[in-house]
Amino acid sequence: DIVVTQSPGSLAVSLGQTATINCKSSQSVVYRGNNKSYLTWYQQKPGQPPRLLISWASTRESGVPDRFSGSGSETDFTLTISSLQAEDVAVYYCQQHASTRPTFGQGTRLEIK
Amino acid sequence: QVQLVESVGGVVQPGRSLTLSCVATGFTFSYSGMHWVRQAPGKGLEWVAVISYDGRVKYFADSVQGRFSISRDNSKNTVYLQMNSLRVEDTAVYYCAKDPGSGGSGSYYFEKWGQGTLVTVSS
Repeated sequence: DIVVTQSPGSLAVSLGQTATINCKSSQSVVYRGNNKSYLTWYQQKPGQPPRLLISWASTRESGVPDRFSGSGSETDFTLTISSLQAEDVAVYYCQQHASTRPTFGQGTRLEIK
Repeated sequence: QVQLVESVGGVVQPGRSLTLSCVATGFTFSYSGMHWVRQAPGKGLEWVAVISYDGRVKYFADSVQGRFSISRDNSKNTVYLQMNSLRVEDTAVYYCAKDPGSGGSGSYYFEKWGQGTLVTVSS
C-alpha cells in the first residue's frame, strides 16, 4: 500500500496568518495517462464527518473558501490556509487514491495561537 | 442534496457479527461507487471497503479482508457492511461515503460522507 505521511502533527497559527500542512506519499500518485495527481484534502471538525476540501491536489470543491489552496505533485503536496479564521480550527487529512486501496495521512491538528 | 444515513451501530462482543446499512438519497445511487471508512476513537481515518456502482467490484483493507463483506441493493439505494469475527480493534465510528466516479471505474476518494455510526466491540 502507498503510505502517506503528514507533517506537522499539530500546528498553532495566529488569526489572519497562514497555515501550511505537508503531505508526502511513499510513491508518486501521478497517473501518467492523464497527468493528474490522485491526492485529496479533507477537513474534520469535532463531532463531524470529514468534509472534502480539495481534489486532484489543487481543485477546490464548491463552497470551499478561496483561502484554502492545494499544490504539489508526484510525492510532495501542500495544503495552504491563508488569512486563518477561527472556523478553520480542525484536523486536516490528506488521502491518496492512486491505488484501489486508498490511504490517509495521520492528520494535522490546526489550532489558533 | 446528497444524504447518507447509516444505521445505528451498537455494542457487540468479540467474535460476533454486525451488519451496518447506509441509505442514500439526493443522487443516482446506481451510478456511484460507495465506500466505508472508519475512525477509531481519537484516531485518524482508515478506509475499509469499496463496492462499485454495479456491485461487481469490491476491495477491502488488509485489516478486514476475509472478515468483512460489502454489498448493495440499488433498488433500495442502500449499501451494507457485514462485519464478522469482530475484534476489539474494530471499535470505531463507521462512515459510508460516496465516490464521485460515475459508472465505470471509481475515483476512490470521498465526495460526501454520512454522519457515522459507532460500533463498539467489547466483552
